[in-house]
Amino acid sequence: DAGITQSPRYKITETGRQVTLMCHQTWSHSYMFWYRQDLGHGLRLIYYSAAADITDKGEVPDGYVVSRSKTENFPLTLESATRSQTSVYFCASSESHSGGYTFGSGTRLTVV
Amino acid sequence: SQQGEEDPQALSIQEGENATMNCSYKTSINNLQWYRQNSGRGLVHLILIRSNEREKHSGRLRVTLDTSKKSSSLLITASRAADTASYFCATEDNQGGKLIFGQGTELSVKP
Repeated sequence: DAGITQSPRYKITETGRQVTLMCHQTWSHSYMFWYRQDLGHGLRLIYYSAAADITDKGEVPDGYVVSRSKTENFPLTLESATRSQTSVYFCASSESHSGGYTFGSGTRLTVV
Repeated sequence: SQQGEEDPQALSIQEGENATMNCSYKTSINNLQWYRQNSGRGLVHLILIRSNEREKHSGRLRVTLDTSKKSSSLLITASRAADTASYFCATEDNQGGKLIFGQGTELSVKP
């Protein structure tokens, strides 16, 4: 999984703070995704991007913002963190439409 | 809303036995994929089966797809302790471009 990296690995933040999770991939994959993983809910799609400057909402986009100014980067920003956003966040990329995804190692975010 | 639902939620077997996990989904799909997640790690892609395929093999993995029943199964043969992980199915609908995951099956293989 060396080709897709997430940072930070762990983050604790306070309610109301803005926090940005970083995702970087080295393959120039067109597609990138953000998921959150919570007990009892599995993985839920937050946002995805089909190419630079093209983003779209997933199942649970409220409270999150993304951008994709460069193909290799897809940061996820929590504009005003809430406790309900405590979760493990995974970034993924895919070379093609209808292909397998490669996942990063995740960011464990705790909002206190 | 979840697209795929795995069954069982948890499975415990002995090394050498076969493990079967099932996945059901709701809408028409382009493909169905299976992923593995070891504790504290990211997901790893195992196998992809397209909607016009019925069975696919990869090493000790065998995946079947029944689009009439909207279901798939993952069989791991001759399981090993290293197969202990959570297994997720994910579907790509025919609007394409994104995967929807089920909640996973937690497999424990005892040596």
